[in-house]
Amino acid sequence: AAGVIQSPRHLIKEKRETATLKCYPIPRHDTVYWYQQGPGQDPQFLISFYEKMQSDKGSIPDRFSAQQFSDYHSELNMSSLELGDSALYFCASSLGLGGNQPQHFGDGTRLSIL
Amino acid sequence: AQSVTQLDSHVSVSEGTPVLLRCNYSSSYSPSLFWYVQHPNKGLQLLLKYTSAATLVKGINGFEAEFKKSETSFHLTKPSAHMSDAAEYFCVVSESGTYKYIFGTGTRLKVLA
Repeated sequence: AAGVIQSPRHLIKEKRETATLKCYPIPRHDTVYWYQQGPGQDPQFLISFYEKMQSDKGSIPDRFSAQQFSDYHSELNMSSLELGDSALYFCASSLGLGGNQPQHFGDGTRLSIL
Repeated sequence: AQSVTQLDSHVSVSEGTPVLLRCNYSSSYSPSLFWYVQHPNKGLQLLLKYTSAATLVKGINGFEAEFKKSETSFHLTKPSAHMSDAAEYFCVVSESGTYKYIFGTGTRLKVLA
């Protein structure tokens, strides 16, 4: 079965650079979530989209922005990168909003800031 | 506010012995609870979910969990550990209204030969 696809898998940037992470949800899934997982930490919610509209916002820095496109894929744009942004970034998708709809996760993008 | 607490950061078991990973939740509403497993450098894989149906939930790879409202617990068990079960396990609650996930701090399961 098709899963959530994230690209790139690994990304190395320097401080103050920008980065764009992409997420392709499972076909027919209309909801996308972004999470950030620091080293040895649990994932923290950043932002979510339902039917191309932002549905919730968590601990996402102002330097980051995201959107969901007409084909339901999503991009997380990160600017003025800092050392502390080094983390594993996960995207998850689900079919609709609802507590009984499990989120399916991609393998993540590992972002390293030098 | 909803939250989950994983009571053990590390659990070690011998291969073939039972596994118990403990999770307590805090919620004013009937929660949606999940267990996910994360192998090194991999994404999170759904093991099982509780969404107010049967209180004993069976998942993949022989795992199951029991929702106990009186104890506000959702412990994960497996009768017999396998070497491939070694991973990080997260207990998760889906926040009512927003449906974003709130993760526990994780339990690292080590399986000894």
